[in-house]
Amino acid sequence: QVQLVESGGGLVNPGGSLRLSCTVSGFTFSDYYMSWIRQAPGKGLEWVSFMSRGGNTIYYADSVKGRFTISRDNAKNSLFLQMNSLRVEDTALYYCARGSKIPDFWGQGTLVSVAS
Amino acid sequence: EIVLTQSPGTLSLSPGERATLSCRASESITSSLAWYQQRPGQAPRLLIYDASSRATGIPDRFGGSGSGTDFTLTISRLEPEDFAVYYCQQYGYSPYTFGQGTKLEIK
Repeated sequence: QVQLVESGGGLVNPGGSLRLSCTVSGFTFSDYYMSWIRQAPGKGLEWVSFMSRGGNTIYYADSVKGRFTISRDNAKNSLFLQMNSLRVEDTALYYCARGSKIPDFWGQGTLVSVAS
Repeated sequence: EIVLTQSPGTLSLSPGERATLSCRASESITSSLAWYQQRPGQAPRLLIYDASSRATGIPDRFGGSGSGTDFTLTISRLEPEDFAVYYCQQYGYSPYTFGQGTKLEIK
């Protein structure tokens, strides 16, 4: 069955960095666009970034552009999100999801907390 | 950026009743709309795409309709597990955006 497992979240000071990972199984990773979507505590959903199958099409939300970098390793069935210059407002549960326009499977998320 | 406005914010109903949730787009997105269900402590689950197509494994009590700017998610007979938060999401134009959610609670 389709599974997506995120890792790498944690507590970090403002200005710090984290690298999130998402390892997938149950489908051919290289056939799909992949997304990162976040949810601040008690709030709604916000698209953060997505990447095409081969990595040549990338989208970033304006709120993270220039600070976050998405990447993927198709040989290792893995998606990554490098987050630099973190801000308090980046605090959220970060979900990895299959697809870009219509994310049809989601992981359980990894929590990123930015606080001093 | 296309703004999606969901109404009502909270809907209080009883099991067995019919639920009608609305989503309005700030401009036409044709039929490029999806609906998700999020139960407490869980990830969102895709219910409907292309405004009216049910995702794999979704019970037929869930139905979507609409096009252009006005969309509806209907749950014909509420089951206890249907009480959750529901989000609409448009993919007609980048950036893809979500509505703010409708909480469906037990009356």
